[in-house]
Amino acid sequence: DTGVSQDPRHKITKRGQNVTFRCDPISEHNRLYWYRQTLGQGPEFLTYFQNEAQLEKSRLLSDRFSAERPKGSFSTLEIQRTEQGDSAMYLCASRGLAGETQYFGPGTRLLVL
Amino acid sequence: GDSVTQMEGPVTLSEEAFLTINCTYTATGYPSLFWYVQYPGEGLQLLLKATKADDKGSNKGFEATYRKETTSFHLEKGSVQVSDSAVYFCALSDQGGNQFYFGTGTSLTVIP
Repeated sequence: DTGVSQDPRHKITKRGQNVTFRCDPISEHNRLYWYRQTLGQGPEFLTYFQNEAQLEKSRLLSDRFSAERPKGSFSTLEIQRTEQGDSAMYLCASRGLAGETQYFGPGTRLLVL
Repeated sequence: GDSVTQMEGPVTLSEEAFLTINCTYTATGYPSLFWYVQYPGEGLQLLLKATKADDKGSNKGFEATYRKETTSFHLEKGSVQVSDSAVYFCALSDQGGNQFYFGTGTSLTVIP
């Protein structure tokens, strides 16, 4: 399977704990995006990488959130000191140099108790 | 700023009924328009897209036409099936293709 993969698929944590999610984009896709989706809503943009450079961040991305893409391939999204309001589906997408289409992974569903 | 407004659901149809899900957008420049579908427990899958005015995107019997004059990209299917039950998202990408804006989604349930 050469699609976008995300790990883990589900995460349950207690408030105050740190969590980290991983995204592996389609190989050779140089652009990688993170979104957050809450129940009944569409995905909301969080941040975007072109290769290893983080080029854009939404104001939704508070100081507790940090994303990296150290070698321009996989990416990690870390949430520190989780809050119940962080409970959501976190989606990753990738896109190649040509074309506008973003290809999405299956998401990581986070539940903060 | 750019945004997408789509018809609220949920929508329930009988098998073989005609489907329309309305989507209108606000954007500067020349956005590309998309419909994504999300089946239960899965991520978003691209259903169809159109990159310029008057283009028609089509896939699996679904169609949508990019109408610049009405700023719309309505999704249609002539005869829905039970397997079409899912949540449908209208989206646009800005002219640079770096920002995606999604609608809130429309849940479709098709009953036999």
